[in-house]
Amino acid sequence: DAGVTQSPTHLIKTRGQQVTLRCSPKSGHDTVSWYQQALGQGPQFIFQYYEEEERQRGNFPDRFSGHQFPNYSSELNVNALLLGDSALYLCASSLIWGRGTEAFFGQGTRLTVV
Amino acid sequence: GQQVMQIPQYQHVQEGEDFTTYCNSSTTLSNIQWYKQRPGGHPVFLIQLVKSGEVKKQKRLTFQFGEAKKNSSLHITATQTTDVGTYFCAGPKDGGATNKLIFGTGTLLAVQP
Repeated sequence: DAGVTQSPTHLIKTRGQQVTLRCSPKSGHDTVSWYQQALGQGPQFIFQYYEEEERQRGNFPDRFSGHQFPNYSSELNVNALLLGDSALYLCASSLIWGRGTEAFFGQGTRLTVV
Repeated sequence: GQQVMQIPQYQHVQEGEDFTTYCNSSTTLSNIQWYKQRPGGHPVFLIQLVKSGEVKKQKRLTFQFGEAKKNSSLHITATQTTDVGTYFCAGPKDGGATNKLIFGTGTLLAVQP
């Protein structure tokens, strides 16, 4: 049973560029959340997708957008990259969009903006 | 806004010593979860606590959820080098029925052999 998979694992981009990160949730999970983790800090919630719709959003600008596909996989897009966007981007899947279900995290994509 | 704080930020122990990290939320939580992140790794779910005053044990790890459901603790007995990592608590935003997690600031545990 495959866990949460993310691609790519590492990425280097230049300021102003756009990036797309991908996530396949754990088998049977239908909810995907994206988190940004800066070095030495806890993960910060970006947004969550369920039934192909953005259900919740954290305090991130519109430069951050996403998508969920019918097979529950998801993409995170970041436009007009800033140096401050350099971080580990984590995808987490869960069983249902509801209360108190544990999140299974992927290994993350390490994004470096230069 | 809602905040989840953890203390200490960093703890260095000798192998065999005990370790405790404390988590405090600015809002009442319907549940609290604990995650461990090894250096260079990703957060891995450890446990979820739901009931007021709940205590759960996993081998050498003991987790508690406060009576007011605003604080929690993780205690490790007789630490081992495999316990190294950052321990995060996380609660649902606004304490309610959501999978949107607000993570604590984390406690980095270093264990010296």
